[in-house]
Amino acid sequence: ELKVEQNPLFLSMQEGKNYTIYCNYSTTSDRLYWYRQDPGKSLESLFVLLSNGAVKQEGRLMASLDTKARLSTLHITAAVHDLSATYFCAVDQMYNTDKLIFGTGTRLQVFP
Amino acid sequence: SQTIHQWPATLVQPVGSPLSLECTVEGTSNPNLYWYRQAAGRGLQLLFYSVGIGQISSEVPQNLSASRPQDRQFILSSKKLLLSDSGFYLCAWSRARGGGADEQFFGPGTRLTVL
Repeated sequence: ELKVEQNPLFLSMQEGKNYTIYCNYSTTSDRLYWYRQDPGKSLESLFVLLSNGAVKQEGRLMASLDTKARLSTLHITAAVHDLSATYFCAVDQMYNTDKLIFGTGTRLQVFP
Repeated sequence: SQTIHQWPATLVQPVGSPLSLECTVEGTSNPNLYWYRQAAGRGLQLLFYSVGIGQISSEVPQNLSASRPQDRQFILSSKKLLLSDSGFYLCAWSRARGGGADEQFFGPGTRLTVL
């Protein structure tokens, strides 16, 4: 079965710094989704990546997908406190089911 | 536009009591519907999903059940709650894609505490 791993699981970073969250998955897939969850809240859709080489950017966040490497990255540029949240990637299993497989989540904490 | 509702928002129930959580979607037809549970500080666990009225796929064989009595209504139930049922319950919907999973949109969630 498809497995999705994120790293790091926890990230504490200073405002203004850059960092990357990684999402690796174990079998072929052509769609990957990134979500954000604020503490005590539901999940909010961030990015939809639909093909190899797809890149999406919004504000200080940029997501990319490499289907050959089975890897997606979420890059944070010049972090600000408002980006503190948990980030999940989710992968489509392709032709198999109507389910998404979610990663373990990366809890991001940005401090001054 | 589409919206998804869940209720109640919070619930405190004694062990052994029944449970009924409701999820409804507006603004779309024939959605795929999903129930997830999230334990405190943990990831998402898919419990059930449905691709149509009366069609339920179970992912976790526990004391929970799901039903879809109408196209845009998804209900999560239990006859007797366990302490381990405590958590944050999330309902989600997606468009029916056929041969793969589409983007899912989540409801506001129900926080359940079993005492």
